[in-house]
Amino acid sequence: DGGITQSPKYLFRKEGQNVTLSCEQNLNHDAMYWYRQDPGQGLRLIYYSQIVNDFQKGDIAEGYSVSREKKESFPLTVTSAQKNPTAFYLCASSSGVGLFGTEAFFGQGTRLTVV
Amino acid sequence: DQQVKQNSPSLSVQEGRISILNCDYTNSMFDYFLWYKKYPAEGPTFLISISSIKDKNEDGRFTVFLNKSAKHLSLHIVPSQPGDSAVYFCAASGAGYALNFGKGTSLLVTP
Repeated sequence: DGGITQSPKYLFRKEGQNVTLSCEQNLNHDAMYWYRQDPGQGLRLIYYSQIVNDFQKGDIAEGYSVSREKKESFPLTVTSAQKNPTAFYLCASSSGVGLFGTEAFFGQGTRLTVV
Repeated sequence: DQQVKQNSPSLSVQEGRISILNCDYTNSMFDYFLWYKKYPAEGPTFLISISSIKDKNEDGRFTVFLNKSAKHLSLHIVPSQPGDSAVYFCAASGAGYALNFGKGTSLLVTP
């Protein structure tokens, strides 16, 4: 089945540690995104990538890093510099950025909790 | 600064009646608009979209209306069903713009 897989679904991290969230897609999409959801805040864009080896910062990129070495994969690292990392993280992909008919498809999310 | 705004955090509607969810945007470069439905602890699922060259798009019980001059769109669900209870997100994009989401409206459809 084609889709987006995020792993793990739940992740616990000690304060001060970096952690990497996985996102894989087999939809052959060029664009991939990371969003963060907090209560009452909607979905806020962290980073996005339109093509392999290229990515752009979103609205809340501070304390996060990404890589796009393969078309299928767009891992997100939450670093110790991120002040409030506890959140629900969503990965998405689409065939392009800002093009007609290019709705984004989402993974099931990763709930990160800092303990 | 929020470029997509959903000013109603919640909405309660009786089963069988119409649900109207509203969304406003500020960026005139946005030309493609989408609605997503989301359940707790799951990823959003795409519902319906509209491009700026149209003012209405219909798909079954769901219709999206776009008023470009007012920078406003709305999602109508008719008739509403209990299974429609979820959080609905409005999103907008344009050439070179990643999807911008509103804060969502929680819809509750009561029997």
